Amino acid sequence: AQKVTQAQTEISVVEKEDVTLDCVYETRDTTYYLFWYKQPPSGELVFLIRRNSFDEQNEISGRYSWNFQKSTSSFNFTITASQVVDSAVYFCALTLFLGSQGNLIFGKGTKLSVKP
Amino acid sequence: SQTIHQWPATLVQPVGSPLSLECTVEGTSNPNLYWYRQAAGRGLQLLFYSVGIGQISSEVPQNLSASRPQDRQFILSSKKLLLSDSGFYLCAWAGLTYEQYFGPGTRLTVT
Repeated sequence: AQKVTQAQTEISVVEKEDVTLDCVYETRDTTYYLFWYKQPPSGELVFLIRRNSFDEQNEISGRYSWNFQKSTSSFNFTITASQVVDSAVYFCALTLFLGSQGNLIFGKGTKLSVKP
Repeated sequence: SQTIHQWPATLVQPVGSPLSLECTVEGTSNPNLYWYRQAAGRGLQLLFYSVGIGQISSEVPQNLSASRPQDRQFILSSKKLLLSDSGFYLCAWAGLTYEQYFGPGTRLTVT
């Protein structure tokens, strides 16, 4: 069975600090996708990134970066120079290439509060 | 571009009343469609998914049901609401690349 663990329930930082959100996943399949979503106070989930299991290259998008390490089954998300607008709940998710109908297995989320 | 709509945005219903939440997608064909519920905590619970018209799979046995009468329409229903049905309901669609795109959600309060 698949599982996604986000051990950090809540994180509070001061604006301009860097922050890393941890995500650890479990699956016996060798082909899968990993995702990060952002849920701001408005409630709508916003897709941030998809990474497939064959691509361990780290990715950077502006202040956001993602570190995918298959050896530790982790897909961590770093926000550099955090801003108040980054305050949200962040979800990590997993789906399998085959047999899952694309169903996402979500972690329980990490609530990030960025204070001015 | 693709857009996903949900309505109503908020709903307050008494226990025992029926429910109908609607979700429609524009700009894509034959998407996979999903209904999720997010209760007072933050976890997302997959309720139903559909890979085509009339094809519904249920993930959690409960008093809710779903239907997909058209390719881009997904409806969540209940004949009699329970207090435990309160929550934030999210509809999502996914194409061939597996990422899911979510609608704005419906906040349901059962009183």
